Amino acid sequence: EPEVTQTPSHQVTQMGQEVILRCVPISNHLYFYWYRQILGQKVEFLVSFYNNEISEKSEIFDDQFSVERPDGSNFTLKIRSTKLEDSAMYFCASSVTSGVYSEQFFGPGTRLTVL
Amino acid sequence: SQQGEEDPQALSIQEGENATMNCSYKTSINNLQWYRQNSGRGLVHLILIRSNEREKHSGRLRVTLDTSKKSSSLLITASRAADTASYFCATDENSGGGADGLTFGKGTHLIIQP
Repeated sequence: EPEVTQTPSHQVTQMGQEVILRCVPISNHLYFYWYRQILGQKVEFLVSFYNNEISEKSEIFDDQFSVERPDGSNFTLKIRSTKLEDSAMYFCASSVTSGVYSEQFFGPGTRLTVL
Repeated sequence: SQQGEEDPQALSIQEGENATMNCSYKTSINNLQWYRQNSGRGLVHLILIRSNEREKHSGRLRVTLDTSKKSSSLLITASRAADTASYFCATDENSGGGADGLTFGKGTHLIIQP
């Protein structure tokens, strides 16, 4: 069964460093998402992406964050200058469509630790 | 309560019993989805119920949706030890925009005692 994959599974970085988290959405999906979950807290929406542009973003998704679909399969989240509070599990998700029928399927996550 | 708020926060039952979890939300929605998360792992999609549906089944799962009360319930019948996990509801708000992000609740931590 097709699934969303994410790499790396765990990333450790120093505060102020740039990180790129990678995702391969399900191949026939057109909508892509990033979420984060700080330890012990809710899963929070960051950004959605469709047709090579950001569709929607939350207040969390500030200028430190960017997303890109560099080729036909990968979808990346870049954090330019990491902060301690960016430590979280980051989930990528994808869906075939949006709206009423939009089932979002999640990857296994990347655990980001900022020291 | 916040969008997508589940109760109870924790539930412990014996194997074989049924488990019921509830979710409340505040805004108009396109759909409501339930997910399972094992400790420290990814989110597994369980079931989606559209705003015009009232009940849906999938295997041992039964989901109801009451849009007038802005609430949903997830019933797991004949629970198994492997059902031990956190369960989240997530709403796709009817914002009229593009690709909506889901709004998650804090989850119900379900423990199945063998």
